[in-house]
Amino acid sequence: NAGVTQTPKFRVLKTGQSMTLLCAQDMNHEYMYWYRQDPGMGLRLIHYSVGEGTTAKGEVPDGYNVSRLKKQNFLLGLESAAPSQTSVYFCASSPTVSGANVLTFGAGSRLTVL
Amino acid sequence: GQNIDQPTEMTATEGAIVQINCTYQTSGFNGLFWYQQHAGEAPTFLSYNVLDGLEEKGRFSSFLSRSKGYSYLLLKELQMKDSASYLCAVRDSNYQLIWGAGTKLIIKP
Repeated sequence: NAGVTQTPKFRVLKTGQSMTLLCAQDMNHEYMYWYRQDPGMGLRLIHYSVGEGTTAKGEVPDGYNVSRLKKQNFLLGLESAAPSQTSVYFCASSPTVSGANVLTFGAGSRLTVL
Repeated sequence: GQNIDQPTEMTATEGAIVQINCTYQTSGFNGLFWYQQHAGEAPTFLSYNVLDGLEEKGRFSSFLSRSKGYSYLLLKELQMKDSASYLCAVRDSNYQLIWGAGTKLIIKP
């Protein structure tokens, strides 16, 4: 059981380039999330999805787009990368949002924008 | 605004006990979580509190006081592998998780 898988694990981009981060989960979870983690700051929610075909903005959505065409996949896109988007990106999934709902995280994707 | 405060870094000795505090001010409350994150790895779930009181799970315990907006994570019989960051997160009235910046715990032999 793989859980949550993120690809790629590392990527270096030049300013203005585009890329897509892929997140795949095999737990049949309804909810999926993209976070970024920066030094000295808590995890910040970029976008999330409450089910196949739905997406919603989180706390820091600007400069990012997402899609959830299939329940198991949640893609995060950067159309025109900026140095401020240098960060570690984590995908997570959960079965619900209530109760002792536990997020399962992917291993992270470290992105550097030069 | 919503805010989660926890100490940036703590140091403790192997075999000892350490308490990591978390205070929060959020729009509503629907539960508090503690996650452990080793350097370069993903966060993993440790504990969940929604009612006041202490939840014990092996060497780890978590306490919650909703009236004080306060929680702590207690780690007993510290081991070197407990060296990690500990993240406090509160679920607000919109069921969104608000995360603290994390407490880096350094264990010394």
